[in-house]
Order: sequence, then C-alpha cells, then structure tokens
Amino acid sequence: QVQLVQSGAEVKKPGASVKVSCRASGYTFKSYDINWVRQAAGQGLEWMGWMNPNSGNTGYAQKFQGRVTMTRDTSIRTAYMELSSLRSDDTAVYYCARGGMAAVFDLWGQGSLVTVSS
Amino acid sequence: EVVLTQSPATLSLSPGERATLSCRASQSDSNYLAWYQQKPGQAPRVLIYDASNRATGIPARFSGSGSGTDFTLTISSLESEDFAVYYCQLRSIWPPMYTFGQGTKLEIK
Repeated sequence: QVQLVQSGAEVKKPGASVKVSCRASGYTFKSYDINWVRQAAGQGLEWMGWMNPNSGNTGYAQKFQGRVTMTRDTSIRTAYMELSSLRSDDTAVYYCARGGMAAVFDLWGQGSLVTVSS
Repeated sequence: EVVLTQSPATLSLSPGERATLSCRASQSDSNYLAWYQQKPGQAPRVLIYDASNRATGIPARFSGSGSGTDFTLTISSLESEDFAVYYCQLRSIWPPMYTFGQGTKLEIK
C-alpha cells in the first residue's frame, strides 16, 4: 500500500550526527517531494526542509542551514535526512512527509525518535 | 519569515458543539494554508488545503475559510474523535518553505 516507512529510534551523543531514512512504497517515488518535520515531546511541529527525489534539489529552513542534509537513493525509493552537530534540544520525533497535491503533506511516515544524550 | 499564530491555545467544548479555530499570519504571502489534526502518538493528518478545500476522506463537518492573513477552521458539530491538536501550516511562495502554527488543543469539556 501507499506508505512511508522510517528507520528506527536512535540514541546519539552531543556533537554526533544522525541519519534517518524514509522508504516509500505504493506510489511513484520521483513524483512527489519529501519533506522532513520534527516534533519535540509535547511541542509543536517544525518544518526542516524539502527534497525533490527526481532532481535531488533541496531547500532547508534557515534554522537548519549548514547542519542538515537531505538526500535520496532512487534505486531503493528511499529518502534520507542527516542532522549533524547534535545538541540535546535536537531530541525529537522526526517525520518524513510527502508533498502531495497542492503541496500539502498528504502522507506521513510513522516517525523516528532521535534522543541526544551524553 | 512568516509567523503563524493560532488561537486559542486550548479550546474546551462538548460533543455536538461547534468549534472555531483561528490562524493568523504575520504577513500575507499566499493562500496555501492547510490544517492538520494530530492525535497522541500519531503522525498528523491533513484536513484542509488551500484554505478551504477538504482533503480526501475528510468529513463534511470540517470546513476552512479565510484569505490573506486570517484563516479559520470550523468543525460544525464535534464528534468524540475530533478531540485532538490542530495545526495550521502556510506554504510561502518565495523562498519556498513551510511554517506551522503552534497548535490548538481541542479538549473535551
């Protein structure tokens, strides 16, 4: 079925990097942007950036410029989000979301919990 | 950078009542305004896009309105499954980016 399946939970130390994957199935992977959104516990949603799986073009929220990299491997229909120089306040659930019709986020992954702790 | 302010932060209502949620943008950039519903432990689900269009499978009791800087989500008659957190989201034309509001928690009175 149409879905996005994300990688599992990660625990990282401050200063490290984390790479979260998002595997698409049931639709044409190259036809829709993939966005990344994070949510700290009890907090709201924060958009991090987008990637076009066809071209590889990306756009990042200013807050994450220089720290985030979004890539893809079209052969396995998978998008990746790598966040570097992790801090404790990067602890959050990270979601990938498809940019569907009218660019709304119409399909979401299940979320990947990233915990940053020494 | 656009800031979206949602009000109220918390709305306490009973099933069957009408809910009106507000989303105000700090500047007008587009009408690409969407509303999402999120329940505990779940990913968000899109309800409304382009300010007033219901997404596929969304019940008719959900409606969106507004333009420019002021947008509203209305739930005409609350059902038990509607109690959740609601977020508005604006897509800016240039630079292409998205902004979420801080959310409105709709709780049972």
